[in-house]
Amino acid sequence: SQTIHQWPATLVQPVGSPLSLECTVEGTSNPNLYWYRQAAGRGLQLLFYSVGIGQISSEVPQNLSASRPQDRQFILSSKKLLLSDSGFYLCAWRWWGAGTNEKLFFGSGTQLSVL
Amino acid sequence: EDQVTQSPEALRLQEGESSSLNCSYTVSGLRGLFWYRQDPGKGPEFLFTLYSAGEEKEKERLKATLTKKESFLHITAPKPEDSATYLCAVQAAQGGSEKLVFGKGTKLTVNP
Repeated sequence: SQTIHQWPATLVQPVGSPLSLECTVEGTSNPNLYWYRQAAGRGLQLLFYSVGIGQISSEVPQNLSASRPQDRQFILSSKKLLLSDSGFYLCAWRWWGAGTNEKLFFGSGTQLSVL
Repeated sequence: EDQVTQSPEALRLQEGESSSLNCSYTVSGLRGLFWYRQDPGKGPEFLFTLYSAGEEKEKERLKATLTKKESFLHITAPKPEDSATYLCAVQAAQGGSEKLVFGKGTKLTVNP
């Protein structure tokens, strides 16, 4: 069965420090992968998505970047964190399924606090 | 711009007291509407995908319905374990098909 791993679960970082969040998917090949952010009082916001190795699309201009070095690995990075980068970061992959069973599977999330 | 509005923001029910959550949406051609359940500190858990007006899907005590402007998540005889935040999202048929636009969610509390 397919599983998605995301780590770390929580992270406290000072302003101006770098960031690296990793997500890996098992049990599938060539998945569409996504990074979402959930800020307090706001809906989930799509940050990046990737349809293949080295292919990254950005939805929101910010000081974050994403990379996909391997088929089932998706990394979210920042060179210098801002206070506004605090939030709950979620990795997801799309399962097309059969018929009308398309869905996004989400990881367990990383709670990032920038102080 | 595609938008999703969920109401109410919070809902408290007694165990066994049925109710409905609303998701109103504005989208340039609906490709799909999704319902998720999210527990505190965890990632959203998929519940349903609806594609066309009139479609209905059920899972245990939950039933999702879809019209051209809104979706309802009906909860029948809820139990305390149904307490969670329920998220609604839409995907547009036009433009960037990879983007799901989420609402802010409805926080449901079911008291025993």
